[in-house]
This record gives sequence, structure tokens and C-alpha cells, in this order.
Amino acid sequence: QSVLTQSPSASGTPGQTVTISCSGSRSNIGSNFVYWYQQLPGTAPKLLIYRNDQRPSGVPDRISGSKSGTSASLAISGLQSDDEADYYCATWDDTLSSLVFGGGTKVTVL
Amino acid sequence: EVQLLESGGRLIKPGGSLTLSCAASGFAFGHYAMSWVRQVPGKGLEWVSGISGTSGFTYYADSVKGRFTVSRDNSQNTLFLQMDSLRVEDTAIYYCVKDVGGIAVEYFQHWGQGTLVTVSS
Repeated sequence: QSVLTQSPSASGTPGQTVTISCSGSRSNIGSNFVYWYQQLPGTAPKLLIYRNDQRPSGVPDRISGSKSGTSASLAISGLQSDDEADYYCATWDDTLSSLVFGGGTKVTVL
Repeated sequence: EVQLLESGGRLIKPGGSLTLSCAASGFAFGHYAMSWVRQVPGKGLEWVSGISGTSGFTYYADSVKGRFTVSRDNSQNTLFLQMDSLRVEDTAIYYCVKDVGGIAVEYFQHWGQGTLVTVSS
């Protein structure tokens, strides 16, 4: 059971917006930055969002992150077929003194 | 270009020991914290351990504390993970990852391709 809770799956049609949520607590999301990773099938994860809402160079601006209290969200607008992947949130947990990942959300493009 | 190349993964019996290595290139290795992240095939990600750039600080997940030891050789640009008392549940792909800073575990912009460790009798 992950410390951070994500819905197992999300879906949308091309062009739609999909939002993935990540729920935690005061000791993790409530106190620290949130990061998001995308993992395409058969590949290593890739950083999508850092420090809650910052995009690394090369990540399109249709990808956005936000955080409020003990929850965070990742939004993918203008959904494309190559957005089909697993998405993971991550943050530091002050109580566990370790980095924690959410269980992951599988995004399907219908 | 940052490159991280893991090695050492193999089939090993429960209770055994194994050392993973990660050869790094393309950046000032000693300036950056490094971590190991693992993934059971078909399952989610789990952070395992991290180490600061100068080896002054090490960090472990509770699931491996006391069994795994992270270390680095900055003269050889290599990261290690010594795994003792291995359990079936340690079976996973182990990724070597480069942190953004030099001390704490924060986030990972560069990942290796992973090495598979299978613990089975």
C-alpha cells in the first residue's frame, strides 16, 4: 500500500484533458515538493514535473502540475496517443525519512 | 550526455548477497547525489536508497534498512548497492538515478536502463 494514493487508471479521447490526482498527508505532500514521472511501456521513467509545477526543458506546456494542501494533480491537455503511459507522483516523507512514490496511474487514450 | 549504466543483476537464492554497480559518465559525478529506485516488473516504483555527492549522507527505505548498503567511488564515477540477506520480495528491476542536487534526495532527471535482480530458490 503506497503512502501516496493515485487512481489506478484514467482515460480520455484524443484532444481531451486528463487529470491525475495524488493524495498524501501533512508529512509528505503537505510539507514538500511534488514530482511527476511518466513511464512509457518498456522504458525507464522520465521526469515530467518538478517542484510542484515546473516543467523540465522538452516537456510541452500542455502538461501541468499543481499542489494544494496534501494533494497534487497532473493535467494532460490535448491528449495524444503517445501520452499512453504510467504516471507516478513522488515526494519526500518527513516521518518515514524517505522518498515515496504513488502507486501509479495508467492513462489510456481511447 | 549523461549516461548511467547498471550491472550486476542476476538470479540469486534467498539469503544471498549481491552487489550492483552503476557506471556514470557525462557529468561531474562527485557533485551529485545518486539513488537506487526499483520496480517489480509490471508494478510501481519504489525508492530504495540514496547517497550524497561526497558520501557524507546515506538514506534508506525501511524495507531495505539494515540489509542494503549504498556507496560510491567518485574517483571511478561509480555507484554501488550492496544487497545482503536477499528476499524473494527484493526481486525487481533496479534503476540507478542521478539527483538534481548534491546532498539530499530530491528528484531524478536521469535514469539508467535498469538491471534485473531475481531472488528465487
